[in-house]
Amino acid sequence: DAGITQSPRYKITETGRQVTLMCHQTWSHSYMFWYRQDLGHGLRLIYYSAAADITDKGEVPDGYVVSRSKTENFPLTLESATRSQTSVYFCARVGDSEKLFFGSGTQLSVL
Amino acid sequence: GQQLNQSPQSMFIQEGEDVSMNCTSSSIFNTWLWYKQEPGEGPVLLIALYKAGELTSNGRLTAQFGITRKDSFLNISASIPSDVGIYFCAGHHHDKVIFGPGTSLSVIP
Repeated sequence: DAGITQSPRYKITETGRQVTLMCHQTWSHSYMFWYRQDLGHGLRLIYYSAAADITDKGEVPDGYVVSRSKTENFPLTLESATRSQTSVYFCARVGDSEKLFFGSGTQLSVL
Repeated sequence: GQQLNQSPQSMFIQEGEDVSMNCTSSSIFNTWLWYKQEPGEGPVLLIALYKAGELTSNGRLTAQFGITRKDSFLNISASIPSDVGIYFCAGHHHDKVIFGPGTSLSVIP
């Protein structure tokens, strides 16, 4: 058990709509990450958080917003979804010894 | 920014063969991680490496942290059909964890 839950598992939305992807860890580890995975690009870092109320940009932050009001939750919001944001999104937490554990992912389609 | 390169991009091997894949970077990383991902799932951690020169095994898997801290390799011995998947290397650099593009492994029974 990776101790990290993502929801929803699948989401279809329309261009211009706001979408929020949820991520919850059953632990209280400090670091959490959001990645997107696309064919040919591997896993690209969108945003990460070192602790509650501390967030920072990764490689591809444009079009995304995050918040971390509680240590356990790290939601990712697409404020105005675009087709280029169709992707699989993975949330992860850093556990003991700098090991990164992933959720099962959210498959997002923007029509 | 930091980039990781993986080779080969894909491999097709016969069941029972040994496999070797590589990960390189132009930057120094403090920790190397190797992951396997199967379709529809998130990446699963296989091996973590913390010191330059470190050699670590996990069953049929062996990985090494390069002396220069800019590379790592993963070997799989006596491959089996369930080894099929995409293998990613990842490196810790300050607060970030960066991933390579992956090596796709196919095992022919």
